This record gives sequence, structure tokens and C-alpha cells, in this order.
Amino acid sequence: KAGVTQTPRYLIKTRGQQVTLSCSPISGHRSVSWYQQTPGQGLQFLFEYFSETQRNKGNFPGRFSGRQFSNSRSEMNVSTLELGDSALYLCASSSTGATNEKLFFGSGTQLSVL
Amino acid sequence: DQQVKQNSPSLSVQEGRISILNCDYTNSMFDYFLWYKKYPAEGPTFLISISSIKDKNEDGRFTVFLNKSAKHLSLHIVPSQPGDSAVYFCAASEYNFNKFYFGSGTKLNVKP
Repeated sequence: KAGVTQTPRYLIKTRGQQVTLSCSPISGHRSVSWYQQTPGQGLQFLFEYFSETQRNKGNFPGRFSGRQFSNSRSEMNVSTLELGDSALYLCASSSTGATNEKLFFGSGTQLSVL
Repeated sequence: DQQVKQNSPSLSVQEGRISILNCDYTNSMFDYFLWYKKYPAEGPTFLISISSIKDKNEDGRFTVFLNKSAKHLSLHIVPSQPGDSAVYFCAASEYNFNKFYFGSGTKLNVKP
């Protein structure tokens, strides 16, 4: 079974631009979560999607949005980029998103905002 | 507001010895806890978990201990191996929520 795939691997943008990150979950997994990792901050929850519906959201501004398609693939969008958005963005999938399910993470997209 | 804290950014241990990684949390509603390991340029991978109805869970060389009254959990690795060198994250969630709170990570270095 292929793992969680995130594209692109690296991205360089300038302030004010917008960016779209993509995530393909493990086949059969219907829950996709997004996390932001910054040095010293650990992983911070952005949002979770299941069957094309956002079920849970973290404490991020509205510039961060996402969506999920019928094939469970998910995209995350960040508009009006700020320097502080530079981070590793990780996508994780699980079968149903139930609490006792472990998350399977992709390798992440490293976003640099200049 | 960091609800899960790993106060040791790094830990260095000799091969064959025990590694103990610690994690504290503030939310008494957390009832499911996990440890993830992360190598550079890779995503975190699941290591071991524990629910609040237990105080210990073992999987091979890895054991997680949970002290609910102290809101503290720890990961023991015995014996430590050089391949265990990675960043370890603890995470917690409330029952029926699919949102995990992660600590900031502890970088473990196991010296040969």
C-alpha cells in the first residue's frame, strides 16, 4: 500500500502570495488532517476532513483553508502569505478519524515565505 | 497555549542504556496519548499509544507510562540503539475528537 503522498516537497513563495498544497491519503483512508510544524512549536492542528466535510478546526486564521475531494484527496490553501507561515506542513490520514486510530503522516511540504 | 509540553528539547544516551522521554499535559479531558518518532526529511511515524484506562503499555523495547494524577506520561526505550536517534513527539486527544495536541518534541541521540 502506498503511503501518504504530499506535493510539492518544497515551495518558495513571497509575502502576499497564495499557495496550495496537496495530499493523497493512504488508499481506503477517508480522514485527512493537516498540521503545521515550526521549530520549537511542535505540530499544531489545522483542520480535519472526512467525506468532504470539515469536522474539526484548529486555531488558525481564515487565511488557512482546505477541502477534500470525493476520492479523499485533500488540498490546503494559504492566502496572503506572511513570513510566519514558513513551516513544514504535514498531512496525515486515518481510516475514519476515530480517536483511537493512529495517524499516518506524509513527508510534508516545506514552505518558505520570503 | 501549549496543552502538551515536552520540556527537554534534547536527550543524549549511551547505546544499551535506557532512554526516558517525558511529556506533561494540562487538559484533564485528554484520554488518549501517543508517541511518534520523526527522522529528518520524513513525516512522523507512530510508535506506541496508551488510553487513560491504563497506566502502562509495552511494545517490544518501548514502554509508555501514564500518571493521570500528575498529568504526566513517559516513554522508556530499553535498550537504546543508535537507530533510535530521532525526534520524539508525544500527542494527546480527547475521546471522540479527532484532533491531536502535540508537544514540541525531544531530540534523542543514542551514542554508539
